[in-house]
Amino acid sequence: GESVGLHLPTLSVQEGDNSIINCAYSNSASDYFIWYKQESGKGPQFIIDIRSNMDKRQGQRVTVLLNKTVKHLSLQIAATQPGDSAVYFCAENNGQNFVFGPGTRLSVLP
Amino acid sequence: EAGVTQFPSHSVIEKGQTVTLRCDPISGHDNLYWYRRVMGKEIKFLLHFVKESKQDESGMPNNRFLAERTGGTYSTLKVQPAELEDSGVYFCASSQELGRAYEQYFGPGTRLTVT
Repeated sequence: GESVGLHLPTLSVQEGDNSIINCAYSNSASDYFIWYKQESGKGPQFIIDIRSNMDKRQGQRVTVLLNKTVKHLSLQIAATQPGDSAVYFCAENNGQNFVFGPGTRLSVLP
Repeated sequence: EAGVTQFPSHSVIEKGQTVTLRCDPISGHDNLYWYRRVMGKEIKFLLHFVKESKQDESGMPNNRFLAERTGGTYSTLKVQPAELEDSGVYFCASSQELGRAYEQYFGPGTRLTVT
């Protein structure tokens, strides 16, 4: 497995608060996006996806927002819990393969 | 159902040696992907198999890397000879949907350290 990198952007939130993780993507032709969660020592885990014909999609405690105008993707986590601590990656599908963002480390404070 | 598995979990080799990484995808998944993440950088696509055929190998860094998927089941990624810059974590992922890479399931990764 992997221990996550040392120089990732970090977001610290209080337990119970909402978290918003942002991602800028590069290809305006990308039409499918995924958010992944990676815990230390594990591979990326699928959280939620969204297609480009949608602006918003909700899952259990998570919401993904897509702004195609500015090529921006966000992941909102409601009532953040200690188990949400991880590195979160966005990935865009450019029609050929997935391109990953650099990742954001989410730390949940007690 | 078993997830994507990778072997070994960690490999330490010297520069110039050869290493072979193995990935077993989820049973029935025709699509298999290799990615790698070098320290401090983002996850990068290496290649994509559909069954035993290489659909896209545009991310392979150079000819020291050879991926195979004989029989369309498990896949191997060989690095020969390994260089220091090959150090990183190599992830394998699989998905069921043909043609597009929806909802890829990742393995735990193999950490490769080249000294």
